[in-house]
Amino acid sequence: DAGVIQSPRHEVTEMGQEVTLRCKPISGHDYLFWYRQTMMRGLELLIYFNNNVPIDDSGMPEDRFSAKMPNASFSTLKIQPSEPRDSAVYFCASSPPQGASSYEQYFGPGTRLTVT
Amino acid sequence: DQQVKQNSPSLSVQEGRISILNCDYTNSMFDYFLWYKKYPAEGPTFLISISSIKDKNEDGRFTVFLNKSAKHLSLHIVPSQPGDSAVYFCAAGNGNKLVFGAGTILRVKS
Repeated sequence: DAGVIQSPRHEVTEMGQEVTLRCKPISGHDYLFWYRQTMMRGLELLIYFNNNVPIDDSGMPEDRFSAKMPNASFSTLKIQPSEPRDSAVYFCASSPPQGASSYEQYFGPGTRLTVT
Repeated sequence: DQQVKQNSPSLSVQEGRISILNCDYTNSMFDYFLWYKKYPAEGPTFLISISSIKDKNEDGRFTVFLNKSAKHLSLHIVPSQPGDSAVYFCAAGNGNKLVFGAGTILRVKS
């Protein structure tokens, strides 16, 4: 069974460009999370969805960041315009319906974003 | 405001010995806690969890201890193996939202 799939694995872009990160959660999971990992702040939650609906976006750093989940098998995280301080590893994670497990989240391999 | 803190950025242990990773939290509303392990260029993978109604949970070489009064949890790995070398994240949650610590790099020397 495939795990969480993220694309691209690496992205290098210039400041000011639009960046779109993609995620396919595990089939049957109804929670989807976007995280960002940096040396300074560790692993921080940006936003999460339940049944395709955004539940908590309080971690989204600013209006340049947006996330969508048009269906149960696909989500995007968009940064427009990108800035060098956005350079980080972005992870997507999914989890099964509440109560089905110990709230364990399954992570994708991450997208390493570099903004020059 | 860091709700979950891992105060040791790194830990080095000899193969066969015990590794103890520590984690402190501030929010008394957290009702479950998890440890994740992360290898370079991979996503974090779930290791072990504990509910707030317990004070210990074991899974093979891994044991998590929870001290609610001190708002402290620890992960014990016995015996430590070179393959355990990774970054370990502590996480705490209430509902489906997890708060992660900054991570501790564990190096197990052979």
